[in-house]
Amino acid sequence: DVKVTQSSRYLVKRTGEKVFLECVQDMDHENMFWYRQDPGLGLRLIYFSYDVKMKEKGDIPEGYSVSREKKERFSLILESASTNQTSMYLCASNREDTGELFFGEGSRLTVL
Amino acid sequence: KNQVEQSPQSLIILEGKNCTLQCNYTVSPFSNLRWYKQDTGRGPVSLTIMTFSENTKSNRRYTATLDADTKQSSLHITASQLSDSASYICVVIPDHKYIFGTGTRLKVLA
Repeated sequence: DVKVTQSSRYLVKRTGEKVFLECVQDMDHENMFWYRQDPGLGLRLIYFSYDVKMKEKGDIPEGYSVSREKKERFSLILESASTNQTSMYLCASNREDTGELFFGEGSRLTVL
Repeated sequence: KNQVEQSPQSLIILEGKNCTLQCNYTVSPFSNLRWYKQDTGRGPVSLTIMTFSENTKSNRRYTATLDADTKQSSLHITASQLSDSASYICVVIPDHKYIFGTGTRLKVLA
């Protein structure tokens, strides 16, 4: 059974803290994505990566960075968390032949 | 501008009833369209994919339709069950990019 695993389902952090969200996929996919999901706004792309050590900015990269040191792992980093980064974060990878996105269970981050 | 609009925003139906969710898009070029189901607090899961040449596709009690001329898709749920309560997200895919709708939140009541 294919799987995208996000390390933390729920996190509570304070303003200014550094936050790491980890994502691992076991499908040998080249492409991985980080989205945030907010009510009424749908999913918005933060960053994506099409290969190890390669990354591209999405639609809302400000305040975020990413790391892809290994093919299976894609990390999202909030250098200094702010309250407006309170959100649900979804990691995904895709099958290149069909374009199907496989999502993790999500990480709900609250920044106080 | 590439956009995907879904209606209604939310919907409440009784168990056993049918419902239809709508997705209109202004995306070009068009590669394919997917419907995802997202349970509360979980990640989205793919229900079905529609390519340009397909009009109708069924997956158990879910039937998706696509009219590429009018740029509309619908998801019809037959004989709804409590477990159908979720958000349904329409995603249009032009050339390896994903354009998401904001979803329809469906609540099925016993």
